[in-house]
Amino acid sequence: EVQLVESGGGVVQPGGSLRLSCAASGFVFDDYAMSWVRQAPGKGLEWVSSINWNGHNTDYVDSVKGRFTISRDNAKNSLYLQMNSLRAEDTAFYYCAKDTGSYFSDWFDPWGQGTLVTVSS
Amino acid sequence: EIVLTQSPGTLSLSPGERATLSCRASRSVSSNFLVWYQQKPGQAPRLLIHGSSNRARGIPDRFSGSGSGTDFTLTISRLEPEDFAVYYCQQYGSSPRTFGQGTKVEIK
Repeated sequence: EVQLVESGGGVVQPGGSLRLSCAASGFVFDDYAMSWVRQAPGKGLEWVSSINWNGHNTDYVDSVKGRFTISRDNAKNSLYLQMNSLRAEDTAFYYCAKDTGSYFSDWFDPWGQGTLVTVSS
Repeated sequence: EIVLTQSPGTLSLSPGERATLSCRASRSVSSNFLVWYQQKPGQAPRLLIHGSSNRARGIPDRFSGSGSGTDFTLTISRLEPEDFAVYYCQQYGSSPRTFGQGTKVEIK
């Protein structure tokens, strides 16, 4: 069974940093691209960032470019999101999601349970 | 980017009734690269339909997807109590991958 477990969320002040992690199991991690998708409380879904199977290709939504960095450690079956210069509008549940192939181009399945990031003073 | 608009925002129906949800794209979605997810309160989204009309593994056949180009539909033939949730469409035909704003199916 595929499992994705996020961690690292919490409360941070505007301008602060946070690093999210996603531990993957139940599939060959380095065969697949991975992504982060976020959801502000009570709102809709927004794709944030994706990384291909070997970490050499990444992509970001415009609103986080230059502030967020996605990375992965295939030896540890783990995905990361380094978030810097956080803003109030980054407050959301952050979901780790598996892509369907080695490159990020399709849909997300499955998703982790999410971790909440709250940016507030 | 492709903007997806879902309608209605909320659908109030009774168990056993048919639900028809719409997802309209701001421009044509190439190769019908559109999926539908279901999200229940406190849970992550779950894949229902991919490629516009293909049910994901384990999804009951009361769920069906259709459409092409800019107009897509998710139909739930007979609502079961566990189907009351929020449904999102997502396109993967062009970058960035985008989502609709969701349709809530609530118990009437």
